[in-house]
Amino acid sequence: GENVEQHPSTLSVQEGDSAVIKCTYSDSASNYFPWYKQELGKGPQLIIDIRSNVGEKKDQRIAVTLNKTAKHFSLHITETQPEDSAVYFCAASISSGYQKVTFGTGTKLQVIP
Amino acid sequence: GAVVSQHPSRVICKSGTSVKIECRSLDFQATTMFWYRQFPKQSLMLMATSNEGSKATYEQGVEKDKFLINHASLTLSTLTVTSAHPEDSSFYICSAPRVGGGHPDTQYFGPGTRLTVL
Repeated sequence: GENVEQHPSTLSVQEGDSAVIKCTYSDSASNYFPWYKQELGKGPQLIIDIRSNVGEKKDQRIAVTLNKTAKHFSLHITETQPEDSAVYFCAASISSGYQKVTFGTGTKLQVIP
Repeated sequence: GAVVSQHPSRVICKSGTSVKIECRSLDFQATTMFWYRQFPKQSLMLMATSNEGSKATYEQGVEKDKFLINHASLTLSTLTVTSAHPEDSSFYICSAPRVGGGHPDTQYFGPGTRLTVL
């Protein structure tokens, strides 16, 4: 089955700096890669996703890149703000939304004011 | 955007009792829902796939007789933890994929249920 690795496990940045989280996946059939933000005591919230037919996607301060050949994808947050502090999970899935999602191990991001 | 709700948000029960958790898709139909368990400071681990009108599919190592799943309608799935023990204390999260309808296929997560077994 699919295996998703995520690095780093913790990340501290100064407010205004950029944060980068990297993930690798094992199953070449995976073609949908969502990123979730989870605040303490809450469920994961989808913040951005990318499908295998594109290499990069951007939404305001958040961007995601995908390298299918190397089987890795990354989340980039620019101009970080204290409210960006949370745990971020990458994930991988095959084909449509009916497929189960395999999560990475998570990155705890702390933005220092 | 699409919304998935869970009830209750928090439950405390005595060891040996059963607890039912509901997962609802509020503005779309979901023939499939997923149940995850998350221990503190860990990732989400898939427990089972809930299928409307048929039996659930359980991941390896998850006891189907302990974690009963019923997907009675296109908007409701329930997870019942039977004879709960302290080691079942965890954060239980459901998700529902919204497929078709002119939107990209996307999976939405509920807010989670914190189960504490005394």
